Amino acid sequence: SQKIEQNSEALNIQEGKTATLTCNYTNYSPAYLQWYRQDPGRGPVFLLLIRENEKEKRKERLKVTFDTTLKQSLFHITASQPADSATYLCALAYSSASKIIFGSGTRLSIRP
Amino acid sequence: DVKVTQSSRYLVKRTGEKVFLECVQDMDHENMFWYRQDPGLGLRLIYFSYDVKMKEKGDIPEGYSVSREKKERFSLILESASTNQTSMYLCASSPFADNEQFFGPGTRLTVL
Repeated sequence: SQKIEQNSEALNIQEGKTATLTCNYTNYSPAYLQWYRQDPGRGPVFLLLIRENEKEKRKERLKVTFDTTLKQSLFHITASQPADSATYLCALAYSSASKIIFGSGTRLSIRP
Repeated sequence: DVKVTQSSRYLVKRTGEKVFLECVQDMDHENMFWYRQDPGLGLRLIYFSYDVKMKEKGDIPEGYSVSREKKERFSLILESASTNQTSMYLCASSPFADNEQFFGPGTRLTVL
């Protein structure tokens, strides 16, 4: 079955630096991959979607890459701020299915 | 803005009780989902529905059932609650299969 692995450890980054989060998957490549942000006690909030034929997607300070050879997506937050501290979830799905498979998330902490 | 609401933020029930978790979305979305989230395990799909009166099993449907009588409402039912169903339950909706999901705030259920 398909598995998703995200950075197992929490990530601590100095404010102003670029945070990079990793999402690796096994088996066959998904049709698209999504990234969500989740704050404690709240539901996830959608950030970005990248399709298998796209190498990179940007939105303001966020950048997502998708490497189907490495079976990996990287999520970057440039000029990080303490307000970026949250858990970030990677999710993938296949064009023939409605359901999405989520990773367990990476907790990111940005220290001032 | 899309709004997904869940009937309770916190719920405490006893073993063997029948539990209803309600979810309502206000954006006429076709697809609705129920997940549970546990530490280290991420979001796991329980059931989803792509139309009124339609339902599909997710990855962990055992011990749960669902109902979708109206497009905007998707209910999760625990027929006989057990302690291993203590968890955070998240409802989500999306307009299309390969689209972002909009999540509710979650219901933290404790079964004693």
